[in-house]
Amino acid sequence: QSVLTQPPSVSAAPGQKVTISCSGSSSNIGSNYVSWYQQLPGTAPKLLIYDNSKRPSGIPDRFSGSRSDTSATLGITGLQTGDEADYYCGTWDYSLDNVVFGGGTKLTVL
Amino acid sequence: EVQLVESGGGLVQPGGSLRLSCVASGFTFSTYWMSWVRQAPGKGLEWVANIKKDGSKIYYVDSVRGRFTISRDNAKNSLYLQMNSLRVEETAVYYCTRDQQGAGNYYMDVWGRGTTVTVSS
Repeated sequence: QSVLTQPPSVSAAPGQKVTISCSGSSSNIGSNYVSWYQQLPGTAPKLLIYDNSKRPSGIPDRFSGSRSDTSATLGITGLQTGDEADYYCGTWDYSLDNVVFGGGTKLTVL
Repeated sequence: EVQLVESGGGLVQPGGSLRLSCVASGFTFSTYWMSWVRQAPGKGLEWVANIKKDGSKIYYVDSVRGRFTISRDNAKNSLYLQMNSLRVEETAVYYCTRDQQGAGNYYMDVWGRGTTVTVSS
C-alpha cells in the first residue's frame, strides 16, 4: 500500500492527451514539492518533472505537472507510442521522514 | 558525463548479508544527498534509505531500519548499502540515486542502472 495514490493504468490514442493523478496528504504533497518519474520498459526510472511543474533539460514541453492542495497531476499531450511507460510520483513526507512514491501508473498508447 | 554505477548484487540465502556499492562520476559527489531505491519484480518503486552530503544525517524506511546500513566515502565517490538479515521479499533491483534536497523539496535527478539482489534458498 503506497502512501501516494495513483491509478494503476491509463490509456489514450496517439496524438491525444492524458492526465495521471497522484493523491497524498498534508504531510507529503500538501507541504512539499512533487516530482514525477518515467520508467520505460526494462530501464531505470528517469526524472520527468520536479518542483511540481519544472522540466529538466531535454524533457519536451508535452509533459507538464501541477499541484493543488494534497494532489498532483501529470499531463502528457501529443501522445506517442514511445511514451508507453510506468509513471511514478514522489515527494518527501514530513511525518514519516521518508521519501514516498506512488504505486505507479502504466500508460498505454493504443 | 554524470553517471552512477551500482555493483554487489547477487544471490543470497534468506537471513544472509550483502553489500552494495555505487560509484559516482561526472559530478562533485560530496555536495549531494544520495539514496537507495529498490523495485521488486513487477512492482513499484520503494525508497530504502538516504544519506546527507557529509553523512551526518541518515533516514531509513521502517522495514529495513536496524538491518540495513547506508554509508558513503566521499574520498572514493562511493555510496554503500550493507544489507543484513535479508528476506525473500527484498528480492529487487536496487538503484543508487543522486538527490536534490531543499526546503520542502526532495527528488532524484540521476539514477543508476541498478543491481539485482535475489534472496532465495
